[in-house]
Amino acid sequence: EAQVTQNPRYLITVTGKKLTVTCSQNMNHEYMSWYRQDPGLGLRQIYYSMNVEVTDKGDVPEGYKVSRKEKRNFPLILESPSPNQTSLYFCASSPDGTGGDEQYFGPGTRLTVT
Amino acid sequence: GESVGLHLPTLSVQEGDNSIINCAYSNSASDYFIWYKQESGKGPQFIIDIRSNMDKRQGQRVTVLLNKTVKHLSLQIAATQPGDSAVYFCAERPSGSRLTFGEGTQLTVNP
Repeated sequence: EAQVTQNPRYLITVTGKKLTVTCSQNMNHEYMSWYRQDPGLGLRQIYYSMNVEVTDKGDVPEGYKVSRKEKRNFPLILESPSPNQTSLYFCASSPDGTGGDEQYFGPGTRLTVT
Repeated sequence: GESVGLHLPTLSVQEGDNSIINCAYSNSASDYFIWYKQESGKGPQFIIDIRSNMDKRQGQRVTVLLNKTVKHLSLQIAATQPGDSAVYFCAERPSGSRLTFGEGTQLTVNP
């Protein structure tokens, strides 16, 4: 089944404890992206990648890191999480490298930082 | 029932009625638009798209209308069902760029 998977789905952690949220897609898509979704603010892009080894900042990149060593994986890293990073996170992928076509979303990761 | 998009984030309709969800997009250079549906606890799912060279596109029970003059996009859902209850949001693509997303409208279908 063609899909985007994220792990974990739920995570509660403490301030400053490094964490990684994994994202994987099996559709051979060029473009991958991370978003956070907060009430009243919609989807805001954190980082995106147009191809392997190519990553760029989105609208809200502060406090996050990403890597794209393989085409299928795009992990999101929080080196020192803070409470304002409590949010619902979505990974997405798109066949078009510009990210301008339909994006396929993962099921989401709900992160709570205390 | 009809929403006014970003200024009225909720829409409540009776089962069987038609729903109209509106979106005012921001960039006159946008050439591609998508409507997504997001059910509680799930990721957004593609519903229907439309390119700027069209003003109407129909799917199964859904129709998207595009008015480029006033930068307005609407999603019409015919014979709304309880399973249609979700957040709906539009996305636009400025030509050659990546998608940007609106805030969404919560649709509630009352039995």
